[in-house]
Amino acid sequence: DVKVTQSSRYLVKRTGEKVFLECVQDMDHENMFWYRQDPGLGLRLIYFSYDVKMKEKGDIPEGYSVSREKKERFSLILESASTNQTSMYLCASSLDQSPLHFGNGTRLTVT
Amino acid sequence: ELKVEQNPLFLSMQEGKNYTIYCNYSTTSDRLYWYRQDPGKSLESLFVLLSNGAVKQEGRLMASLDTKARLSTLHITAAVHDLSATYFCAVAWNRDDKIIFGKGTRLHILP
Repeated sequence: DVKVTQSSRYLVKRTGEKVFLECVQDMDHENMFWYRQDPGLGLRLIYFSYDVKMKEKGDIPEGYSVSREKKERFSLILESASTNQTSMYLCASSLDQSPLHFGNGTRLTVT
Repeated sequence: ELKVEQNPLFLSMQEGKNYTIYCNYSTTSDRLYWYRQDPGKSLESLFVLLSNGAVKQEGRLMASLDTKARLSTLHITAAVHDLSATYFCAVAWNRDDKIIFGKGTRLHILP
């Protein structure tokens, strides 16, 4: 079974802090994604990556960056956290046209 | 730009009834996914639809895809309480392979 592990289940940070959300998958998947989920808005794509050191912007990349130095790890970085980035963050991975496999999510609160 | 619209966004129904959730999308795609999310949990893959006319069934759920109409349906037959969850469709955009989700349909099945 594919396992997608997000490093933190809950995170509380202060406005202006630099925040790192880590995601690791164990199935050698090429594709990795970061979404945020907010009530009434569904899942919105922040960034995705199809290979090591590659990244593509999703629909809401502003205020975020990503890093993919190794195939199994895809990190989401909030350069300077703001309260409107309080959300549930979901990481996912996939191979070719297979369904996305999601991690358990990180609930980030920015105060 | 790829937009994905689901309707209804909320559905309350009696056990034993049939109903359909609709997923419309705005640009060419030949890959569509359905996911289920239980409260407090991550997303679980239900179906992958890869071609026009594709139909998949699992238990009381059946999904279909009409790429010409840019429409997918998730049909629930003789609903049972265990199917209460939020259902998302997600569409892969042919242009750059980003995967965009609808806002989700929150399904509440009354015993």
